[in-house]
Amino acid sequence: EVKLLESGGGLVQPGGSLRLSCAASGFTFSSYAMHWVRQAPGKGLEYVSAISTNGDGTYYANSVEGRFTISRDNSKNMLYLQMGSLRAEDMAVYYCARYSSTSCYDSWGQGTLVTVSS
Amino acid sequence: QSALTQPRSVSGSPGQSVTISCTGTRSDIGGYNYVSWYQQHPGKAPKLIIYDVGKRPSGVPDRFSGSKSGNTASLTISGLQAEDEADYYCCSYAGSYTWVFGGGTKLTVL
Repeated sequence: EVKLLESGGGLVQPGGSLRLSCAASGFTFSSYAMHWVRQAPGKGLEYVSAISTNGDGTYYANSVEGRFTISRDNSKNMLYLQMGSLRAEDMAVYYCARYSSTSCYDSWGQGTLVTVSS
Repeated sequence: QSALTQPRSVSGSPGQSVTISCTGTRSDIGGYNYVSWYQQHPGKAPKLIIYDVGKRPSGVPDRFSGSKSGNTASLTISGLQAEDEADYYCCSYAGSYTWVFGGGTKLTVL
């Protein structure tokens, strides 16, 4: 069974940093690109960042470019999102999602909430 | 990249059919057959129900179907059931390693 478990969310002040983690199990992690998708309270889904299978390719939404860094450790089956210069508009539930060969998100974690407030 | 346009809400009675539209541009929906749809119940993670415009993952009932015409994709749910009440999101690849979602549609089963 595919499992994705996010952690690391919490309360952070504007301008602060936070590192999210996603533990993957039940599949060959190194064979899949992975994404982060977020959902602000009461709002829709928003693509945040993507990383290739070996980590050589990293991609970002314009809204987080230069502030967030995605990475992965295939030896540990872990996905990460380092978030910096956080703003109120970054407050959201952050999901890690497996990106399938059929160009869709076929598995999602339960999400971790990031609250940005002073 | 602008979000895809979905109706805020749709409704239908049990047994009826409803269609949710998702409008983009030729840079996203119109340019690729990589449209997917997700169902999200309150407090839960999204669930894939349609990929590659009109394909269903195993385990998704054939009451769910997808299509595309030009820059607009559509999700049709036939034989509505109470458990179909949820939020639905479309998603499209938009080129240059970017992806865009729709704003979401709340389906109410009357």
